Amino acid sequence: AQSVAQPEDQVNVAEGNPLTVKCTYSVSGNPYLFWYVQYPNRGLQFLLKYITGDNLVKGSYGFEAEFNKSQTSFHLKKPSALVSDSALYFCAVPDDYKLSFGAGTTVTVRA
Amino acid sequence: NAGVMQNPRHLVRRRGQEARLRCSPMKGHSHVYWYRQLPEEGLKFMVYLQKENIIDESGMPKERFSAEFPKEGPSILRIQQVVRGDSAAYFCASSPGSAGEDTQYFGPGTRLTVL
Repeated sequence: AQSVAQPEDQVNVAEGNPLTVKCTYSVSGNPYLFWYVQYPNRGLQFLLKYITGDNLVKGSYGFEAEFNKSQTSFHLKKPSALVSDSALYFCAVPDDYKLSFGAGTTVTVRA
Repeated sequence: NAGVMQNPRHLVRRRGQEARLRCSPMKGHSHVYWYRQLPEEGLKFMVYLQKENIIDESGMPKERFSAEFPKEGPSILRIQQVVRGDSAAYFCASSPGSAGEDTQYFGPGTRLTVL
């Protein structure tokens, strides 16, 4: 089965500092990888996905993710975090047609 | 283009009652998925449907839970005789296809509370 892992439950950064949310994957074949964000009491919003090609994927709200095949990682990054980026972030991988999610990482950006 | 719509947003039921959750996919999407988010747990797949067909219900409890996606109208997730353990956020997602690279877009969720 395809799976992803998010090794950090929480990430805390100061506003204006770089933000990184980690994700590692275990898949057979070529991976498709997704990042979603969930704001409090809201649904999941799609941020970006990796299909194939460029290892640096750009997404919504200034986020990007770097695909690293040798490290089997797909870390989410933002060069300068905002307080409004505080949310729950999920990495996901398709397992057949259903998404298999990581446990989620809570990001807190302090002013 | 309206996104995935779910209603109600909040639903309170007493033990033993029925809960009926509705989901309207994005325009042009014929693939619907239901996921459940339990407190302190991640998102878990429940069921995948196409119009008038249940494709995969492997994540759905065998008892009390059912889902449908009729030819006309929204997809319905139905929970009979609810118990406290059913309290959770239920999310619907839709996609234009079922290939791995197809993005699933999520609705705002229905938060079910069982008293």
